[in-house]
Amino acid sequence: SQQGEEDPQALSIQEGENATMNCSYKTSINNLQWYRQNSGRGLVHLILIRSNEREKHSGRLRVTLDTSKKSSSLLITASRAADTASYFCATGVDFYTGANSKLTFGKGITLSVRP
Amino acid sequence: EAQVTQNPRYLITVTGKKLTVTCSQNMNHEYMSWYRQDPGLGLRQIYYSMNVEVTDKGDVPEGYKVSRKEKRNFPLILESPSPNQTSLYFCASSSLRTSGIGDTQYFGPGTRLTVL
Repeated sequence: SQQGEEDPQALSIQEGENATMNCSYKTSINNLQWYRQNSGRGLVHLILIRSNEREKHSGRLRVTLDTSKKSSSLLITASRAADTASYFCATGVDFYTGANSKLTFGKGITLSVRP
Repeated sequence: EAQVTQNPRYLITVTGKKLTVTCSQNMNHEYMSWYRQDPGLGLRQIYYSMNVEVTDKGDVPEGYKVSRKEKRNFPLILESPSPNQTSLYFCASSSLRTSGIGDTQYFGPGTRLTVL
């Protein structure tokens, strides 16, 4: 079952602008992760935020998590043409509870950054 | 270099001809998983393995088999492929040592399978 749902499905911005992508989920999670995929290639991990964290930064990336609203956002500041890719959020649960031991991905957001 | 490798990268086959897609990781990860990616459907998990000899079904296991005889390898087997299994397949691995909680997954480069 799909857990995370990203919004919007597609986003087109000008180089230098900020890109904001959102993810909503339905059940309790232990962590939420964002991945990037260049066309036809494997996913690359960007950032992980745990359920007891509210905000995390990594370079030009900023991720927030609101567990009360079951939502997360990924902000890419000062976007570059090389940021053009698909972005996925994935929700993780505790492997050792024995239930739902997996990372569940959303359908992804296609980001296009125009030079 | 830490990596997940998959072979083959591209495969065209015919309905009913058994095939195996191999996956290997060199990071001593306990957890390994197979996903398929289809347009409009995102990534869907096929099977996963928590450790050697421990495997379990994901969201779309029908038509697939897996085995985990060694920690580093997690082959995906299609006993009788059908056209609806045409897809892009990814293998991934993750460590369970640090937290036990769903951690960063490292993905292979993908295998594009076409079943005619």
